[in-house]
Formats: sequence, structure tokens, C-alpha cells
Amino acid sequence: GQQVQQSPTSLVLQEGENAELQCNFSTSLNSMQWFYQRPGGSLVSVFYNPSGTKQSGRLTSTTVIKERRSSLHISSSQITDSGTYLCAMETGGNYKPTFGKGTSLVVHP
Amino acid sequence: EAAVTQSPRNKVAVTGGKVTLSCNQTNNHNNMYWYRQDTGHGLRLIHYSYGAGSTEKGDIPDGYKASRPSQENFSLILELATPSQTSVYFCASGVYEQYFGPGTRLTVL
Repeated sequence: GQQVQQSPTSLVLQEGENAELQCNFSTSLNSMQWFYQRPGGSLVSVFYNPSGTKQSGRLTSTTVIKERRSSLHISSSQITDSGTYLCAMETGGNYKPTFGKGTSLVVHP
Repeated sequence: EAAVTQSPRNKVAVTGGKVTLSCNQTNNHNNMYWYRQDTGHGLRLIHYSYGAGSTEKGDIPDGYKASRPSQENFSLILELATPSQTSVYFCASGVYEQYFGPGTRLTVL
């Protein structure tokens, strides 16, 4: 079945450092979405990016279908970026998404 | 702005009791989903629906039923709740791009 691997599982940064989060998938995909989640909170969509590169402020998402990977780059990290980032993919056209287990990000002052 | 609401937000139930979690969306999306989120397992799909009257089994459907009486409403039903069903439950709507509700924290004693 579909598999989604996220890396790293956790990341600790000093404020101002950059972060690169990866999501690798085992099959071709129809959709790829990145979410942000605070502890105890709901999932907030960061990017819907099935292919190519999208940027929003300090965040950039790049999905390369042929290489079966998607990345989320956070530049100049801030304390408020702390939380968990999850990726979700859908592959088979049956609209049944599969989620990665997430990357826990902690940004220290 | 897409809107997904869930009720109740918190629920304590007894083992063997019946629990119904409700979800409402104003996005006019055909697809709706129920997930549970547990430490170490990430987000797992329980049931989903393609529209009013339809329900489909997700990856972990055992012990759960779903009901989609209308485009807007999607319920998750635990007929005989067990402590292993203690978790945080999220509802979402959307096809390729998903929008999540705030979550329901369920504790089964």
C-alpha cells in the first residue's frame, strides 16, 4: 500500500536557523498537502502542493513527483514555528489520503 | 473560508456505552473523513464518505460505524466504546485538499 515517510522525526533549532523537512512516498501521487499542528491543536493547512514549488512568506514547499518526494523549507525560523508538521498524500484516485507521522519542530530563543 | 465544526469537543464515556461524534461542514464538499490521532501512530483514517448516503471503510474501521445523512453532516458512532478508543478524533472535508475540524478529545473509562 501507500507509504509516506517523514524526516527528520524531530528537529531542534535556534531562532533564525533554517529548517528542511522531507516527505518521501512510495507510489505516484495525485495530491500532496502539508499541515501544521500545535500541541493539542487541529491541523492547519500550510500548503497544497501536488507538484512544483510554492512559497508563502518564509515557507517554501517543493514537490518532485519523479523523485517521489516533497519538502518544506522554513527560513529564519521563529519560536512560533514550533509544533508538528505533517504531510499527507493521495495516490490512487480514491480520495483516501495517507499521512506521514510528522516532524516535531522546536525553535529555541 | 472553509469551515468544519465538531461536537462535542470533549467527551468522557464509560466502557460499553454508545458514543456519537458529530461533524458539520459548510464547504459543500462531497468528501468527508474521520481520523483518530494517537502518539506513535500519527493520523489514521477510520471512515470516509463520498457524499450523502455513502460511507466507506478506512484503514482502521473496526469498532466504528459512520453515517452521512446529508452533504453537511458526517457522524462517527462507537456502539460499544472501549478504553482503546480513547483518542483525539478529527473530521475533515475536501477532495484533494483537506480542511480539518478542531478535534474531539474522547476518553473511555
